[in-house]
Order: sequence, then C-alpha cells, then structure tokens
Amino acid sequence: NAGVTQTPKFQVLKTGQSMTLQCAQDMNHEYMSWYRQDPGMGLRLIHYSVGAGITDQGEVPNGYNVSRSTTEDFPLRLLSAAPSQTSVYFCASRGRAAVEQYFGPGTRLTVT
Amino acid sequence: GEDVEQSLFLSVREGDSSVINCTYTDSSSTYLYWYKQEPGAGLQLLTYIFSNMDMKQDQRLTVLLNKKDKHLSLRIADTQTGDSAIYFCAEEDSSYKLIFGSGTRLLVRP
Repeated sequence: NAGVTQTPKFQVLKTGQSMTLQCAQDMNHEYMSWYRQDPGMGLRLIHYSVGAGITDQGEVPNGYNVSRSTTEDFPLRLLSAAPSQTSVYFCASRGRAAVEQYFGPGTRLTVT
Repeated sequence: GEDVEQSLFLSVREGDSSVINCTYTDSSSTYLYWYKQEPGAGLQLLTYIFSNMDMKQDQRLTVLLNKKDKHLSLRIADTQTGDSAIYFCAEEDSSYKLIFGSGTRLLVRP
C-alpha cells in the first residue's frame, strides 16, 4: 500500500512550456485534490474530483487542467507555464468513510 | 468566502507548553485539522476534531474547539526541539475541500 505518490519530485520549466504532474493513490479513494503551496502561505486548492469522470475548480484553477479517467489517477496539467506557477504542488486523497486526507510528498516546480 | 487565520510565529522553551491558535469563518465545517510541516517535507496529520466536539486529547496534544467564537487551538504539552515546525490549521467543508491557514512557525528553544 503506497498511499499517495507524486512524480516528479522536482521540475524546472521554461516559461511557455507545458507539463503534467502525476498523482496516484492505491486506497480506492473517491476524493482527490491538488493544492499549491507558495512560500509563507498555506495550501490553496487548485482542482478537485469527487470520483472518476467528475472534476471541479478550486480557489486558484487558472492555468491548470485536470482529468479523472480512473479512480487511482489524477494528473495536473500546466498548459503554458508562467513564473507565477513556481510553487510546491501537493496531491491529496480521501475516502468517504474516512476522516484523514492523505497527502503526497509534493512536487517542487520552478518556472524560469 | 471562507477564511482561516493563524498567528505567524511562536517561540517557547523546551519543556514548556505551546498553544497555537486558529480562527475560521465557515460555521458548516465538518472536521477541523492540525497538520505539521517540517522544512522541505510534506504535511503530516497531527490530529483532528469533529465539529460537534469541544475537546480532543491525544497523548501530548490537546485540541479545543469553541464553535460559538469559531476558535480552534492546539496545545502541545512538554514541547520538545523536535516539535519545531510549521503548524497548519485547516477546516473541511461538506465537499471535503480543505481551507488552510497560513501556518504558525513554532520555534522551540533549548
């Protein structure tokens, strides 16, 4: 049982490049979400999903796309990277019957 | 919209108790959480409290919830140098979305 895994751990992009941050969980959790953490701030919700095929926007969705084709995977796509997207990105999952939201180890992204 | 606020910094001596405070605005929150983050690391869930509870104790940790004032606190007894970290308060709404405070940096002095 690996929990929530994220790849890559670190990434450097140039402005305008696109990429996908991967998130997977093996706990059969219905709910998955993406947060970003900027220096000196708490986490802010980007997008979330309450089940396969269902996604919705969080507080800061602009510049990001998500899809949820399976229960296990919830990738986050940066369409055209900007320096303002330099941040640490965390994926989380939660089962309906549980209380804890499990967080992945994070992806540190730098956009130059 | 919903907002969660925390004081930025707390410094205590080793062995003393630490109290970290948090206020929130969403009265329909289901659960309230305390997370710990060490430098360069992810988030570790310390404890949580259901919104219809007043208090929860878990070893050195005590959580107090005042629903009327929308105030949450985390007390760490016998604070150790290993407790130095950033502590985040978060409220969860009925859609499982978490709203985080900006974090309280706890420094434990030997």
